[in-house]
Amino acid sequence: DADVTQTPRNRITKTGKRIMLECSQTKGHDRMYWYRQDPGLGLQLIYYSFDVKDINKGEISDGYSVSRQAQAKFSLSLESAIPNQTALYFCATSDPTMTADTQYFGPGTRLTVL
Amino acid sequence: RKEVEQDPGPFNVPEGATVAFNCTYSNSASQSFFWYRQDCRKEPKLLMSVYSSGNEDGRFTAQLNRASQYISLLIRDSKLSDSATYLCVVNMETFLSGSARQLTFGSGTQLTVLP
Repeated sequence: DADVTQTPRNRITKTGKRIMLECSQTKGHDRMYWYRQDPGLGLQLIYYSFDVKDINKGEISDGYSVSRQAQAKFSLSLESAIPNQTALYFCATSDPTMTADTQYFGPGTRLTVL
Repeated sequence: RKEVEQDPGPFNVPEGATVAFNCTYSNSASQSFFWYRQDCRKEPKLLMSVYSSGNEDGRFTAQLNRASQYISLLIRDSKLSDSATYLCVVNMETFLSGSARQLTFGSGTQLTVLP
């Protein structure tokens, strides 16, 4: 079983709809992240959370919100989806006790906003 | 200027070739460096960390030049299975309510190894 799972894997929605992307992990890591990836661009950080009570904005948080329901769950919401939020979204976790602070990614959610 | 810049490629090389990728970063205070590999439509996965002294893992060698602020990845004896996008990743630590680590990703270099 995958250590980091994301649901849904694919979603097509319309402009103005509210969308929630969910991420769960079994790695026991405190740190979780949401990124988006667009063609030709690197991964851009949307939000990150270092524990259940700690939520921080990343470089492109406008139009997004998050909820850290438990250590293992971190959800990303688009309150009113717009077409330029069409992208591949990745959730990731990391363990700060590891020197390299390696990030482990989920399989991604491909979101299309029409 | 992007914080982490890579040549997007694509690099098309024959099996068995040696190929090298470079990456430059803008923040001289950056603390740690990585190469991630991303297969088409898949999630990125850590390939290797990059240490100041250089490090090798089988056919892969990573180098860091802090003075010039660049990182390199060398792949020897390329295999078909090496075809992927290679992401240069830099940890630009900031300190917000304690140590906060954020990774900055380059846009990736696409490699295709041809039979």
